[in-house]
Amino acid sequence: KAGVTQTPRYLIKTRGQQVTLSCSPISGHRSVSWYQQTPGQGLQFLFEYFSETQRNKGNFPGRFSGRQFSNSRSEMNVSTLELGDSALYLCASSLSSGAGTEKLFFGSGTQLSVL
Amino acid sequence: SQQGEEDPQALSIQEGENATMNCSYKTSINNLQWYRQNSGRGLVHLILIRSNEREKHSGRLRVTLDTSKKSSSLLITASRAADTASYFCATDAGTALIFGKGTTLSVSS
Repeated sequence: KAGVTQTPRYLIKTRGQQVTLSCSPISGHRSVSWYQQTPGQGLQFLFEYFSETQRNKGNFPGRFSGRQFSNSRSEMNVSTLELGDSALYLCASSLSSGAGTEKLFFGSGTQLSVL
Repeated sequence: SQQGEEDPQALSIQEGENATMNCSYKTSINNLQWYRQNSGRGLVHLILIRSNEREKHSGRLRVTLDTSKKSSSLLITASRAADTASYFCATDAGTALIFGKGTTLSVSS
């Protein structure tokens, strides 16, 4: 079974631009969660999608948004990029939406650099 | 916000030695999980322990959970250079899996 696939692996953007990151979960997994990882803040929960619906959301500004398609693939979008958005963005999938009780399978992440 | 907090932040040991990492958390949980992350890569699930369990083993890994002290420990026995990574505990906060800041383990040969 293929693992969680995130594209692109690396991305360089400038302040004010917007970016879209993609995540394909493991086949059969219906829940996709997104995390932001920085050296200072560690892993911060962004949001979780299950069956095309956002189930939970972390404490991030509205510039961060996401969506999930009927095939469970998910995208997250960051608009009006700021320098502080530079981070490793990780996507994780699980069989169901367990509100933190499920084992997560992570992709390798997208390393975003904002200049 | 961080639910779990690992201790120590960094740990350096020799191959063959045991490594112990601790995790403390703040609120009641349904389960606690441990993950490993190799530099710049995604996290890999290691073990899940439920709130009604006190100890769990998986290969060279041993996890304990003390819900009265709101703490857990991860023991890696007979460490290898390949165990060099960051280790995170994660707890369910009612809405999502919340991670601590991790312990960076360095195993030298």
